[in-house]
Amino acid sequence: NAGVTQTPKFQVLKTGQSMTLQCAQDMNHNSMYWYRQDPGMGLRLIYYSASEGTTDKGEVPNGYNVSRLNKREFSLRLESAAPSQTSVYFCASGGRTSGTGGTQYFGPGTRLLVL
Amino acid sequence: QQQVKQSPQSLIVQKGGISIINCAYENTAFDYFPWYQQFPGKGPALLIAIRPDVSEKKEGRFTISFNKSAKQFSLHIMDSQPGDSATYFCAASMKGGSEKLVFGKGTKLTVNP
Repeated sequence: NAGVTQTPKFQVLKTGQSMTLQCAQDMNHNSMYWYRQDPGMGLRLIYYSASEGTTDKGEVPNGYNVSRLNKREFSLRLESAAPSQTSVYFCASGGRTSGTGGTQYFGPGTRLLVL
Repeated sequence: QQQVKQSPQSLIVQKGGISIINCAYENTAFDYFPWYQQFPGKGPALLIAIRPDVSEKKEGRFTISFNKSAKQFSLHIMDSQPGDSATYFCAASMKGGSEKLVFGKGTKLTVNP
């Protein structure tokens, strides 16, 4: 049982480049989330998916797109990276409709540096 | 209305002391209040959570106190240990809808030996 896995662990991009952050969970959760964490800002929700086939914007969606590929996988895409997107990105799964009582389980994070 | 305000931003405590972190919210629709613990280089992990039908929940050295009328909740760490040094986040969510968690900005706790 790996829980929530994320790839890559670390990435350096140049401004304007694109990349996709991958996330997978093996806990059969319906809901999945993408957050970014910046110093002093806490965790801010970028996008979430309440179930396979649905996605919705969170607090800071600009500059990002997501795909809920199937129940296990939820990817985050940066089409044209900007230095303001330098951050640590966390994927999470779980929540009340997933039978966890509201708990979300987080992956280990992807550290992204945009030059 | 969707915010959760957390204080202090940082906290230094001596080994064996009590660490107290406070959070306040405005939205009375929130009905689930978890605390997450995050060690450097790791993802956040659930530490303890409470629902508003109880005023206190204790798990080992960790206690959540909940004041529904004041719309405040706090985390108490008794007999704080150096291994408790981490960043702590409070959060809140409401029934229905997206189950989104709204996080406080975090408290960096340092427990000195």
